[in-house]
Amino acid sequence: DTEVTQTPKHLVMGMTNKKSLKCEQHMGHRAMYWYKQKAKKPPELMFVYSYEKLSINESVPSRFSPECPNSSLLNLHLHALQPEDSALYLCASSHGTIGTGGDSYEKLFFGSGTQLSVL
Amino acid sequence: GQQVMQIPQYQHVQEGEDFTTYCNSSTTLSNIQWYKQRPGGHPVFLIQLVKSGEVKKQKRLTFQFGEAKKNSSLHITATQTTDVGTYFCAGIGGGNNRKLIWGLGTSLAVNP
Repeated sequence: DTEVTQTPKHLVMGMTNKKSLKCEQHMGHRAMYWYKQKAKKPPELMFVYSYEKLSINESVPSRFSPECPNSSLLNLHLHALQPEDSALYLCASSHGTIGTGGDSYEKLFFGSGTQLSVL
Repeated sequence: GQQVMQIPQYQHVQEGEDFTTYCNSSTTLSNIQWYKQRPGGHPVFLIQLVKSGEVKKQKRLTFQFGEAKKNSSLHITATQTTDVGTYFCAGIGGGNNRKLIWGLGTSLAVNP
């Protein structure tokens, strides 16, 4: 199984709603990531989990709250979002974290993403 | 901070023509990765280059890493409509840097 599964594929929410994005991988990867991607832009790193611990938070607003319940699962809890938060949210995983070296360790496997619209 | 510049931003080619996208880093990279994102899709890893001057081939795709490990290129020979998408380079800086530094991507359109 070389897939990263994300749900839901599409999400429309109001600014007062609370919702969660889910990500799952069964490749035994120890690093998991949340990225945000706007149209025609590269992915923008939000959070990195390494061995189930938050290792990088790219100064993301607190209305985004990540959670890593176990080594296979990654959630992103959303609350009181703004319209400018509308984007494609991508989950990714890798064997090891970036910078640990090794040809296969740093390869990112991306999920198909959640297209989020905030009204 | 570290930056990776990628050119061109867009490229339209006729099917069968060649295509090249270039990445340049402001600092020396430990390695560089290339990803392809089809329209409506997600980034898919293509390759990672680690060694100075490294050249790797995948069928019609040729990847190069510069001698100074500050630039890289992806060349596609005889493009096909299946090559359509955005190609991103992403560099990993040296030292304690633990993040991918993404180029802005080159969007390739192929006319049949």
